[in-house]
Parts: sequence; C-alpha cells; structure tokens
Amino acid sequence: DAGVIQSPRHEVTEMGQEVTLRCKPISGHNSLFWYRQTMMRGLELLIYFNNNVPIDDSGMPEDRFSAKMPNASFSTLKIQPSEPRDSAVYFCASRKISGSTNEKLFFGSGTQLSVL
Amino acid sequence: QQQVKQSPQSLIVQKGGISIINCAYENTAFDYFPWYQQFPGKGPALLIAIRPDVSEKKEGRFTISFNKSAKQFSLHIMDSQPGDSATYFCAASKGGYSTLTFGKGTMLLVSP
Repeated sequence: DAGVIQSPRHEVTEMGQEVTLRCKPISGHNSLFWYRQTMMRGLELLIYFNNNVPIDDSGMPEDRFSAKMPNASFSTLKIQPSEPRDSAVYFCASRKISGSTNEKLFFGSGTQLSVL
Repeated sequence: QQQVKQSPQSLIVQKGGISIINCAYENTAFDYFPWYQQFPGKGPALLIAIRPDVSEKKEGRFTISFNKSAKQFSLHIMDSQPGDSATYFCAASKGGYSTLTFGKGTMLLVSP
C-alpha cells in the first residue's frame, strides 16, 4: 500500500497566485481530511469528506480556500488568491469508517507551501 | 471544537530517561484518546491509543496513563532513545464518525 499521496511536496509561489494541492487517499478509505500545520496553531482541521461529500468546512479560513473531492481517489485544496499568511504545511489524511469505532487516521507527507 | 491542552511545548531528555507528555481535555463526551508521532518532513502517525474504560495502556516502551475524573491523559516513554526524537500530538474524539481534536504538540529531543 502506497499510503496517502500528496503533491507537490513543496510549493513556492508569489502572493496573489492560485495554488492547488492534491491528495490521493488510501484505496478503500472513505473519509478524507485536510489539515494545516503551523508552529503557532499546531494541526488545524480545514475540511473533511465522508464518501466524497464535504461534511464540515468550518475550519476553512476564508473564501479564498476551497476543496473538492470529485471521486473516492482524489481530492484538491485550492487557495485563490494566495497570501503570505497561508504559508504552512498542508496535510491530507484518510481513514476507513466502519461501525462506531474510531479508525486510525493515515497522514500523507504533506505539502510545504511558501507564499512570498 | 473543544480544546485539548498539551504540555510541555518542548522537552529534552537524556538517553535512557523517561519522557512524559501531558494532555487535558474539556469535553466529557470524548471517548477515544490517541497519540500521534511526527518525524521531520513526515506526516503524523498513530503511536498508541486508549479508551476511557481502562486507566493504562502499554505498548513496548510507550504507555498511556488515563485519569477520567481529572480529564487528563499522559504519554510516558520509558528508556527514551535518540530515535524517539520527534513531535508528539495528543488528540481526542467522540465516538462514531467524529473528527480528532489535536493538542498543539510537544517537540521531544532525546540527547545521546
């Protein structure tokens, strides 16, 4: 199993540019999460999907952020326009929901975003 | 989201010593308490988890101690090794399809 795959690993862009982060969850997992990690705020949940449907996007900072999951094997997080304060590591994670148990969350290796 | 408070922010322990990281939570509905370990350049990975029906869970050198009445839980790393140097996150969630609420993390450095 290749695990959760994120691309790109690093992204450097200029303020005002559009940024798209990509994620391929583990096959068979039906829940997908986008997190943002910074030194000041730790791991923040931005949005999560169950069976490709967005369930809670209350963590999305503002309208500049959007996320989609067109199918079970692909999700994107888009920032348009990007700002320097968006600089962070963005993680995608997935898990398999089964019954009432809290299944293990698997994280990708993250995308290091730097907005100049 | 309900808060999970983690301390200390950073910790330096000598090789062979005991590392202790503490977390406190507010929501009494939480019923799942995992710890995640993150190495530089990697995503967090589940290390060990506990449910409130037990007060302690041990896996190798890693132990979770859980105090339901105090709403606190802690991670103990016995015989700490330089390879344990990482950032550790505690987390909590309610049952079912709920999401994890993470603490802010503890950077552990085990000196040789």
